[in-house]
Amino acid sequence: AQKITQTQPGMFVQEKEAVTLDCTYDTSDPSYGLFWYKQPSSGEMIFLIYQGSYDQQNATEGRYSLNFQKARKSANLVISASQLGDSAMYFCAMRPNTGGFKTIFGAGTRLFVKA
Amino acid sequence: DVKVTQSSRYLVKRTGEKVFLECVQDMDHENMFWYRQDPGLGLRLIYFSYDVKMKEKGDIPEGYSVSREKKERFSLILESASTNQTSMYLCASSVDRYSYEQYFGPGTRLTVT
Repeated sequence: AQKITQTQPGMFVQEKEAVTLDCTYDTSDPSYGLFWYKQPSSGEMIFLIYQGSYDQQNATEGRYSLNFQKARKSANLVISASQLGDSAMYFCAMRPNTGGFKTIFGAGTRLFVKA
Repeated sequence: DVKVTQSSRYLVKRTGEKVFLECVQDMDHENMFWYRQDPGLGLRLIYFSYDVKMKEKGDIPEGYSVSREKKERFSLILESASTNQTSMYLCASSVDRYSYEQYFGPGTRLTVT
């Protein structure tokens, strides 16, 4: 069975500090993609970053980086230099490259950035 | 920019009513999806569609049906709304079945009383 686990329902971080949001996954597919979405209070999901299971290097997009540890089946999101606008819900997701191509989402982590 | 629009931001319906949620995308995407979002459960896939008139069940299709008569429009239908279908419903689209990035609409918060 495929599953995404986000163990942190809520997190606080001080503005300008870095924060790591945890994500572990379970899949038997040999090839898959991992990614993160941000959902601000407006409700619209925003795609942040993508990591392929065969990519050798960790993905980075501006202040976002994905700490991919394949052996541990983890895909943590690191946000550097947090800003007040980073306060939002963050979802980790996975999609296998075989079968039905369905995307599976975790339960989410709500991040609060303090001034 | 890709635009995905949903017909309503908030909707209140009575138990037993037939409910239509409409979603339109303007970028000629092949794939469209309907999810429901509940606290502590994340997003769960209800139905998706690869092409016009094509549909496939997601993880929680019971109590729902869909329609895709035109490429840009994907409708979610609650045949007989029940209180356990009170939720946030999110529509999304992607270029094709191989694309990872999905573009989401603003969501419809449905309350069934």
